[in-house]
Amino acid sequence: GAGVSQSPSNKVTEKGKDVELRCDPISGHTALYWYRQSLGQGLEFLIYFQGNSAPDKSGLPSDRFSAERTGGSVSTLTIQRTQQEDSAVYLCASSLVSSYNEQFFGPGTRLTVL
Amino acid sequence: GQQLNQSPQSMFIQEGEDVSMNCTSSSIFNTWLWYKQEPGEGPVLLIALYKAGELTSNGRLTAQFGITRKDSFLNISASIPSDVGIYFCAGRKFNNNDMRFGAGTRLTVKP
Repeated sequence: GAGVSQSPSNKVTEKGKDVELRCDPISGHTALYWYRQSLGQGLEFLIYFQGNSAPDKSGLPSDRFSAERTGGSVSTLTIQRTQQEDSAVYLCASSLVSSYNEQFFGPGTRLTVL
Repeated sequence: GQQLNQSPQSMFIQEGEDVSMNCTSSSIFNTWLWYKQEPGEGPVLLIALYKAGELTSNGRLTAQFGITRKDSFLNISASIPSDVGIYFCAGRKFNNNDMRFGAGTRLTVKP
């Protein structure tokens, strides 16, 4: 079945490098979400897309974080000049229309910044 | 961001025992949700609650939306080894697109 997929599953990078994390939502889902899960913590909301636009960017922790979505489908989360505190699992979710529909999560990308 | 207080942080129980965990918040939420996350996977929705006072069951799972709209609990009856995982509560406010998550309850079930 075609659930939410994310790539890479694991990423190890050096401090100061840029990284790109990819999310492929479920086909036909117009809403897409990015969350960050730090060790022992709950999920922290980062950004929400409705189609290609991001009406809510309030959760992005700094201007080093950005995200885009093209064609109403694939989304990319970019972290520039990574820091050690960026190490976490980055989860993507999609839902049919809005946040009032169930969100289906991908398996996440585990980012380690050395 | 605003955080939900989830407890306990972890539980070690014997197979067959019942489990109870809860979430509280200082502010009101319009929807409470409970998710389960297994290693290497994203969270999966277990139960969604939309109305204050609502009590909903899903098999051996029962969850309630607190009457004050500031809390929720999840009960698991007659636990089995496959119940192992991290359980998260999440709250959503009306007209908000994001959910706030608790820090999770890590459940271990000993056969």
